[in-house]
Amino acid sequence: EVQLLESGGDLVQPGGSLRLSCAASGFTSSNSAMSWVRQAPGKGLEWVSAISGSAGSTYYADSVKGRFTTSRDNSKNTLFLQMNSLRAEDTAVYYCAKDHWASGAFDIWGQGTMVTVSS
Amino acid sequence: EIVMTQSPATLSVSPGERATLSCRASQSVSSNLAWYQQKPGQAPRLLIYGASTRATGIPARFSGSGSGTEFILTISSLQSEDFAVYYCQQYNNWPRTFGQGTKVEIK
Repeated sequence: EVQLLESGGDLVQPGGSLRLSCAASGFTSSNSAMSWVRQAPGKGLEWVSAISGSAGSTYYADSVKGRFTTSRDNSKNTLFLQMNSLRAEDTAVYYCAKDHWASGAFDIWGQGTMVTVSS
Repeated sequence: EIVMTQSPATLSVSPGERATLSCRASQSVSSNLAWYQQKPGQAPRLLIYGASTRATGIPARFSGSGSGTEFILTISSLQSEDFAVYYCQQYNNWPRTFGQGTKVEIK
């Protein structure tokens, strides 16, 4: 079964850092681009970042550019999101998602991990 | 950035009726448009990609149409499990962008 499992969410103070992980199973993650998508409490979906299968290319939303870094370890089938200089507005459930093989749609999603930025 | 605008914000429909959801892009996204369903406390689920292709395991009562800037998601006969929030998303350009969602509620 194809699965994604996020971890690393926590309560962190403004200005702090956090690293999220997303473990993939049931498929070879190096063959797929992956993204991070977040959802603030009671709000809609916001795409955050993406990384190509080879990790040669990364993309970021303007709201996180310069503060967040996406990387992957294909030998461990794991995706990472390093979040620095966290702000209250970064509070959200963070999902990792896999690109569909024939499109840029997200066909597999993890269950999400909660990040709360508060003093 | 391409802005995706969904309408209506809330759609009240009786079980068995048809639901029609709209999504408009601020510039052309060709057919690079996906629809997702999200239920409370759950991750989104891919319904449609390529504007009109159903994802694996999605019932035939879900259909998508459109290209360019105007898109429609139709649920032909609403079942109890279809009451949820629906999002469109473009993947033609970076950054990827989602619509704000349409909540389909029981009338």
